[in-house]
Amino acid sequence: QSVLTQPPSVSAAPGQKVTISCSGSSSNIGNNVVSWYQQLPATSPKLLIFANNKRPSGIPDRFSGSKSGTSATLDITGLQTGDEADYYCGAWDSSLKAVLFGGGTKLTVL
Amino acid sequence: EGQLVESGGGLVQPGGSLRLSCVGSGFTLLTYGVSWVRQAPGKGLEWVSGINGHNGDTLYANSVKGRFTISRDNSKNTVYIQMNSLRVEDTARYFCARGQSTNSFNELENWGHGTLVTVSS
Repeated sequence: QSVLTQPPSVSAAPGQKVTISCSGSSSNIGNNVVSWYQQLPATSPKLLIFANNKRPSGIPDRFSGSKSGTSATLDITGLQTGDEADYYCGAWDSSLKAVLFGGGTKLTVL
Repeated sequence: EGQLVESGGGLVQPGGSLRLSCVGSGFTLLTYGVSWVRQAPGKGLEWVSGINGHNGDTLYANSVKGRFTISRDNSKNTVYIQMNSLRVEDTARYFCARGQSTNSFNELENWGHGTLVTVSS
């Protein structure tokens, strides 16, 4: 059972916007930065967002992240069929002294 | 950007041991925090262990503490994870991933393809 809670699945039509939530606690999201990863089928995870809302070079601005209190969100606008993937949030946990990942959210572009 | 390549996976019986290797190319692993992350078949990501690039400090998930040991060989630009007392629930693909800085374990910007570990009798 993941300490960071994500919805198991979300879906939306091409061109639309989707929001994926990630809920934690004061020992992780509340006092540490959040990252988001995209894992396309049969591939390794890829860093999408770091430090809550920063994008690595090469990541389109259709992907954006935010954090408020003990929750974080990933927004994806202008959905494309190629965005179908599993998305994971991650954060350092100061109590456990370990990185935690959310359980993952499967995005379906209808 | 460089590349990470894992090796050493395979089939092992419960209670057995394996050592996984992660070789970096195109950059010096010494200057980055390196993590091992695993993914059981059909499941999500689980962070397993990390090693600080600056001082060599090591960190472990509670699920592997006391059984797994992470280390590095700077001369070979390689990070290892020694896995002892393996359990069926350790079955997973093990990824090596590099952080953005020496003590970065959550901002994993470079991942290998992983190596599959199967623990079964």
